[in-house]
Order: sequence, then C-alpha cells, then structure tokens
Amino acid sequence: RKEVEQDPGPFNVPEGATVAFNCTYSNSASQSFFWYRQDCRKEPKLLMSVYSSGNEDGRFTAQLNRASQYISLLIRDSKLSDSATYLCVGHTGGFKTIFGAGTRLFVKA
Amino acid sequence: DVKVTQSSRYLVKRTGEKVFLECVQDMDHENMFWYRQDPGLGLRLIYFSYDVKMKEKGDIPEGYSVSREKKERFSLILESASTNQTSMYLCASNADSYNEQFFGPGTRLTVL
Repeated sequence: RKEVEQDPGPFNVPEGATVAFNCTYSNSASQSFFWYRQDCRKEPKLLMSVYSSGNEDGRFTAQLNRASQYISLLIRDSKLSDSATYLCVGHTGGFKTIFGAGTRLFVKA
Repeated sequence: DVKVTQSSRYLVKRTGEKVFLECVQDMDHENMFWYRQDPGLGLRLIYFSYDVKMKEKGDIPEGYSVSREKKERFSLILESASTNQTSMYLCASNADSYNEQFFGPGTRLTVL
C-alpha cells in the first residue's frame, strides 16, 4: 500500500462548482501535511499547508482527520484557472516527505 | 523572488552515457532534493542533502549519485544512463525539513 494515496481522477467539473479531493495516508506518525498544485509541464508549487484545526485560504479549504488518516481539499466556486494536478504531501519527520501521485482536475466553461 | 534553476529543460542521451543534471538555488537553503516524477507514481525521492558534502539516499538511489560541493548547488549524476531512467527530474530545496519545498522547472530526460 502506498504511504499517501489519492484518487487520480480526472475530476471534470463546470465553472462555479464545488469539488473535493481526499487523500489517505498510512503512516500514523506523519506530522504535517500539505497540498501542492502542479500545472501541466510545470513544477509543483505549494498551495496550502494543512493544520489539525483545518485552514482556509479564499476558495480553498483544507482539513485533516487524524483518526481516519485522511486529508481533504475543498475548492469552492471553481475557476478555469483551477485546472491542474493537486498533490497531497505528508511529512513524517526528518527529511521524509511523501508525495501522492496527484489528482487531476479539469474545470470547464 | 525565490528561485531554483536546473541546467536543462530537455535532454536526450544514449544508453551508457554519463549524465549530469545541475541544480542551483539562490535562497541559501540548507536542504536540497532530487526527485523523479513518472505518470501514476508521483514524485519519488532519489537523494537529498542537508549540508555541503552531506548526502542521504532516498527511496530510489540505485543508478544515481549526487554531489554537493557548494551550498547553492546540487548535482545528480547518472553514471551509465539506461532507458528506464527516462523521466522528469525535479530538484527542490527548503530551509527547514518541515517547510515548503521550492522546486526547479524540471529536466525531462530521454535515454535512447
């Protein structure tokens, strides 16, 4: 079983829709989590960190559920520019950072 | 603006060639990383370095070596390139192991 697992998608949604991605992790010792965004043929860039209390940044909300070992990303009012691959990332301490394979999102007009 | 640069965006090499991929960061970061990214597999860590001349193996170090002679520069070396090393190679750096990693634009390597 992969340490960080994501549904690869693709998720095809219309503009204005709300879409949610989940990501599960297997190592209960994982200490911190992130969502990165990767545009086609570009490098990954940090979208947001994920805190135990959850956090929100504009249209984006990230949640962590330690009991069930998953993190989520909610995107409200989807824009065409949100089309990208979203990478779930877990950090188990030290230099051990595990990237999920990514979830592809297509937002259509 | 933070910057990680990689020496080539695209590279084509022949089987058996020695290949050097260079990465430079201008943020004075302690840590630097080399990943490869393949469809369906995500990013896999090859090697990382937490200081000059220090290196640690990642998850898939076989067939690769690294060099960090200066803080800002981290090189990935394929001693004898093979076709299964055809991939996208991404370099990253960060100041602290818990912090955001900043990535370079990637090098798409094709080994024929």
